[in-house]
Amino acid sequence: EPEVTQTPSHQVTQMGQEVILRCVPISNHLYFYWYRQILGQKVEFLVSFYNNEISEKSEIFDDQFSVERPDGSNFTLKIRSTKLEDSAMYFCAREDSGEQFFGPGTRLTVL
Amino acid sequence: GQQLNQSPQSMFIQEGEDVSMNCTSSSIFNTWLWYKQDPGEGPVLLIALYKAGELTSNGRLTAQFGITRKDSFLNISASIPSDVGIYFCAGSNYGGSQGNLIFGKGTKLSVKP
Repeated sequence: EPEVTQTPSHQVTQMGQEVILRCVPISNHLYFYWYRQILGQKVEFLVSFYNNEISEKSEIFDDQFSVERPDGSNFTLKIRSTKLEDSAMYFCAREDSGEQFFGPGTRLTVL
Repeated sequence: GQQLNQSPQSMFIQEGEDVSMNCTSSSIFNTWLWYKQDPGEGPVLLIALYKAGELTSNGRLTAQFGITRKDSFLNISASIPSDVGIYFCAGSNYGGSQGNLIFGKGTKLSVKP
């Protein structure tokens, strides 16, 4: 079964700007996750989202971050005021019985 | 928080050789997963393990969930050039809303034809 699709594939932004990353599930799943991976490093958990609510978030997921499911299908991660250190790959993942399937990611570059 | 130690960091092997990598944790997990990541792409799930002691195969890949629930290994037999990539272990305490994955730092595999 396909995982999820993510848009855009690459986002370049100026420091201080807001960005919205999108995740589009192929089918109707309840559990979604956002992870990030700074270049050359491990994948890090940001936030989990269950039934249209945040269920868990990490220390990385501070007030600059928010998640929404605005139209019941697309799932967004917003960074309000980007910093240089936000440059990373951002992955959306869906869960199915304990197994998590990752999207192709959005590469965010903050200049 | 929980940390995973994954080793080795990198491996350079000849095509046809077997490969072994492992992860250890200071605390227990109830699920171990192994992923492979190619450059610029998302991690792809290889094997999921749910029970202590479980040994599971997926083609040339074999993974085991350690009996103490604090470790797991992944073996690749008869490596081929397309096995090149970064392999990550990940643990979770899946159940209810606590399913977030904690990843190891990865093992970078290079295969020489």
